[in-house]
Amino acid sequence: QVQLQESGPGLVKPSQTLSLTCTVSGGSVNSGSYYWSWIRQPAGKGLEWIGRIYSSGSTSYNPSLKSRVTISVDTSKNQFSLKLTSVTAADTAVYYCASHYYGSGSYYNVDWGQGTLVTVSS
Amino acid sequence: DIQMTQSPSTLSASVGDRVTITCRASQSISTWLAWYQQKPGKAPKLLIYAASTLQSGVPSRFSGSGSGTDFTLIISSLQPDDFATYYCQNYNSYSYTFGQGTKLQIK
Repeated sequence: QVQLQESGPGLVKPSQTLSLTCTVSGGSVNSGSYYWSWIRQPAGKGLEWIGRIYSSGSTSYNPSLKSRVTISVDTSKNQFSLKLTSVTAADTAVYYCASHYYGSGSYYNVDWGQGTLVTVSS
Repeated sequence: DIQMTQSPSTLSASVGDRVTITCRASQSISTWLAWYQQKPGKAPKLLIYAASTLQSGVPSRFSGSGSGTDFTLIISSLQPDDFATYYCQNYNSYSYTFGQGTKLQIK
């Protein structure tokens, strides 16, 4: 089981860049068995997948956010990060990082961070 | 871009009821389908993966079925702890799109 912890500013001003980091323990971001993702949830609303990264650095993003999102991985720190540019109030949400493990056969498991609230406000 | 559509959005039921939640993908996703349970203020919990495989530790009253575009989550006999919001998710290698969620509330 992987443990994940989100960190970053809880308040971001409109038009600025939201930056979050997820620190991974109990596993390696270099592992070929994992994908690493960011997911967000505005208050009272559903889950929205933001994007994911593989150990190779290959990324995939939600088309609705793709123009503003960058996900990267820092293997030296065993972390992966999210940058979301040009934020507005609509980007206010709890942001989760998650690990997606693909095991033998069809085995699949997901571990989640506890989530961090990011508010966009001046 | 794969879209996931869940129904119903809200479901009212009583303890002991059998409930069914459906999830439809906009294109075939084989069995790359997971179901999650989320309670207020908590991260989602994985219940089922590969459309029908119960995650370790999940009660057997939960079951999943389907392949291709149509999927179902069944709770055979609702327990008080089951009142929560449920999400389906496509997890193929290109996207992890979620359904909009089904809130299961006490009748």
